[in-house]
Amino acid sequence: EAEVAQSPRYKITEKSQAVAFWCDPISGHATLYWYRQILGQGPELLVQFQDESVVDDSQLPKDRFSAERLKGVDSTLKIQPAELGDSAMYLCASSLEDSGSPLHFGNGTRLTVT
Amino acid sequence: QQQVKQSPQSLIVQKGGISIINCAYENTAFDYFPWYQQFPGKGPALLIAIRPDVSEKKEGRFTISFNKSAKQFSLHIMDSQPGDSATYFCAARNTGGFKTIFGAGTRLFVKA
Repeated sequence: EAEVAQSPRYKITEKSQAVAFWCDPISGHATLYWYRQILGQGPELLVQFQDESVVDDSQLPKDRFSAERLKGVDSTLKIQPAELGDSAMYLCASSLEDSGSPLHFGNGTRLTVT
Repeated sequence: QQQVKQSPQSLIVQKGGISIINCAYENTAFDYFPWYQQFPGKGPALLIAIRPDVSEKKEGRFTISFNKSAKQFSLHIMDSQPGDSATYFCAARNTGGFKTIFGAGTRLFVKA
């Protein structure tokens, strides 16, 4: 079964440093999402792409976070500078362009900011 | 209006028992209600989903009950097994835009 690929699996960084996460969605999935999941909570949407266009980034802290999906396939989420409160699991998901299609999640990147 | 409220926060059930998790929503624009299961170190995976035009959907030991007028839906796990021990998230997706909002999660522990 096709999977959403994410890397790295774990990242430890010092505050004020820059970090980047990569996601490769399931082939053919036009919609790509980045979610942040704080330990013990549900995933919260950071940004949603439809092909290469941002559909929703209303919850993305734009002063430090950026996301791109230049060719409408894989995507990168960047944080610069990282803050202690950014420690969380960053999950990428993809879906078909259909309101009834489920999200397929990758296994995430666990970020620890020290 | 965008919130999905989930309860309980945690649940302990004996093997063979029934696990019940409840969710409530406010936004009537939601038209797809999935449940996701997450094991430690893994991303959430779709378990079962329902549209608001049906009141119940069953897949194996898992059943969603949906009450459109009350804006509530619940997950029932029959004959709960230790392997069902995981965190369960209800979610809701709105028409157009395909934005999915998640509940806070329920940690289920099934005692052997």
